[in-house]
Amino acid sequence: EAQVTQNPRYLITVTGKKLTVTCSQNMNHEYMSWYRQDPGLGLRQIYYSMNVEVTDKGDVPEGYKVSRKEKRNFPLILESPSPNQTSLYFCASSPTGTSGSETQYFGPGTRLLVL
Amino acid sequence: GQNIDQPTEMTATEGAIVQINCTYQTSGFNGLFWYQQHAGEAPTFLSYNVLDGLEEKGRFSSFLSRSKGYSYLLLKELQMKDSASYLCAVSDSNYQLIWGAGTKLIIKP
Repeated sequence: EAQVTQNPRYLITVTGKKLTVTCSQNMNHEYMSWYRQDPGLGLRQIYYSMNVEVTDKGDVPEGYKVSRKEKRNFPLILESPSPNQTSLYFCASSPTGTSGSETQYFGPGTRLLVL
Repeated sequence: GQNIDQPTEMTATEGAIVQINCTYQTSGFNGLFWYQQHAGEAPTFLSYNVLDGLEEKGRFSSFLSRSKGYSYLLLKELQMKDSASYLCAVSDSNYQLIWGAGTKLIIKP
């Protein structure tokens, strides 16, 4: 089954404790992206990747890191989480990211609470 | 700056018709998407418009006017399962998606 998976689905952590949220897709997509979703603000892009070893900042990259060492995986790293990073996070992928008509496929989401 | 506006919340009755509007101002335009998102779940694709006019897909239709920077999603024969948020997103000149905040649709029996 074609899908995007994320782990963990739910995470409670404390300020300053490094964490990684994994994202994997099995559709051989070149383009992958991370979003955060907060009430009233909609989806905001954190980072995106057009292909292996190519990553770019989105609208809200501060406090986050990503890597793209393999086509299928795109982990999101919070080196020192803070309470303002409490949010619902979505990973998404699409075939190339170079066409306006491409549908993005979303993972199930990771709900993060930073105390 | 880039901006997408849609109503925060709408209420409609089961069996009725509802129209959700979206206006946009973006740097470039490569198409407009509508996604559906049930509470706590991932967004799922509903429709894509790049040319002016109406695209019909079952109970859902989507309209686009590029000259007005305007789109709407029309939902007919509303069912309780249509209670969800509806997200409008525009693909800009760099093929990046600019997202609206979403419209929460509440369906009443």
